[in-house]
Amino acid sequence: QQPVQSPQAVILREGEDAVINCSSSKALYSVHWYRQKHGEAPVFLMILLKGGEQKGHEKISASFNEKKQQSSLYLTASQLSYSGTYFCGTEIQAGTALIFGKGTTLSVSS
Amino acid sequence: NAGVTQTPKFQVLKTGQSMTLQCAQDMNHNSMYWYRQDPGMGLRLIYYSASEGTTDKGEVPNGYNVSRLNKREFSLRLESAAPSQTSVYFCASRRGGSGHNEQFFGPGTRLTVL
Repeated sequence: QQPVQSPQAVILREGEDAVINCSSSKALYSVHWYRQKHGEAPVFLMILLKGGEQKGHEKISASFNEKKQQSSLYLTASQLSYSGTYFCGTEIQAGTALIFGKGTTLSVSS
Repeated sequence: NAGVTQTPKFQVLKTGQSMTLQCAQDMNHNSMYWYRQDPGMGLRLIYYSASEGTTDKGEVPNGYNVSRLNKREFSLRLESAAPSQTSVYFCASRRGGSGHNEQFFGPGTRLTVL
């Protein structure tokens, strides 16, 4: 079952902050975050594992609430380059396939 | 390292025609995946192969078949294309197993079925 992302779209000015949420009805092993620019392939941003380990991007942070099966991606001091569609992918067990949400479109203007 | 490569990049088919989308990775990954992307629907899993020699259905497998030819290659076949299969198809690979292992995507194949 697809995880649910919110909001569907965000419009920001450069320097503003945004939070994108991802929730699942199933217990998760990990949450992945990807960004996709128009006409390109998704690119990896972050992994958050059950138990608190993280690996990812220098300027983007995220959290994973295991009790609620929710993850949030924090984009602070946004730059024009942050524009794109953000997807969360959820993994219910180590080694199983990622199931992605419908995405959140972020537009940053100057 | 080329990463994940896909061929062709673009394809136009008529309803009822068949075709195979090719995918290869040079990262020695165990797991490979096929997704389709439609406006407003996100990335939906069609089929995946957790390891060489195994394949499993994903969220939207109807109308597709796959072959894990070897560790490097994973193909997707449309036996009788339908307009509903017009989409962008992405192949992806991961090391597999537990821990930090991100998924790498190919550049995509843009398929139109008339």
